[in-house]
Amino acid sequence: DIQMTQSPTTLSASVGDRVTITCRATQSVSRWLAWYQQKPGKAPKLLIYEASNLESGVPSRFTGSGSGTEFTLTISSLQPDDFASYYCQQYSNYWTFGQGTKVEIK
Amino acid sequence: EVQLVESGGGLVKPGGSLRLSCAASRFTFSDYSMHWVRQAPGKGLEWVASISSSSDHIYYADSLKGRFTVSRDNAKNSLYLQMNSLRAADTAVYYCVRVGGDGDLLNAFHIWGQGTMVTVSS
Repeated sequence: DIQMTQSPTTLSASVGDRVTITCRATQSVSRWLAWYQQKPGKAPKLLIYEASNLESGVPSRFTGSGSGTEFTLTISSLQPDDFASYYCQQYSNYWTFGQGTKVEIK
Repeated sequence: EVQLVESGGGLVKPGGSLRLSCAASRFTFSDYSMHWVRQAPGKGLEWVASISSSSDHIYYADSLKGRFTVSRDNAKNSLYLQMNSLRAADTAVYYCVRVGGDGDLLNAFHIWGQGTMVTVSS
């Protein structure tokens, strides 16, 4: 089974900060990697698919990069609406989520 | 707007059964593979089960050990999850999810329902 590990688990940041979350896979998933945002009490929302493709309607301050086993999600300038939890997911070989990264207000 | 609406959650005793349903609307349901994902209180996301558009490919998380069965009725635009021998560890919000792209199983999870809560407790 492919395991996904995100870092950090928690991230404290301020509005306007550049934020980067890393996701590592235990084996190559090529570019079959997605990122989701989840707010408390709500369903997850797709942000990025195929490692770097921005889902329709998602602000351009979100960018995804990487391939193989290492991926990053970057928020170029953190906005108040971005304080949430973020999950990576591989869909190369079955489906596995990372443990999540909570972005908190500093 | 594409919509997925789950139902059937509730409180059930350990060892009991529950059947979740997901009603799909505003898209051609029979074109898309579907998944169930769950999230225990305060925990992360866990993939549960998947079914291809024509039900010819079905997959389950190893942790379920044959207790859950996913099915769909394309004529009714509905997805189901039959859950048997429920345990406290199955307590979670269960989400119905539609893939994107060409509708095949190996696509990102583009559309999520609002979720239905399942509580397993005596």
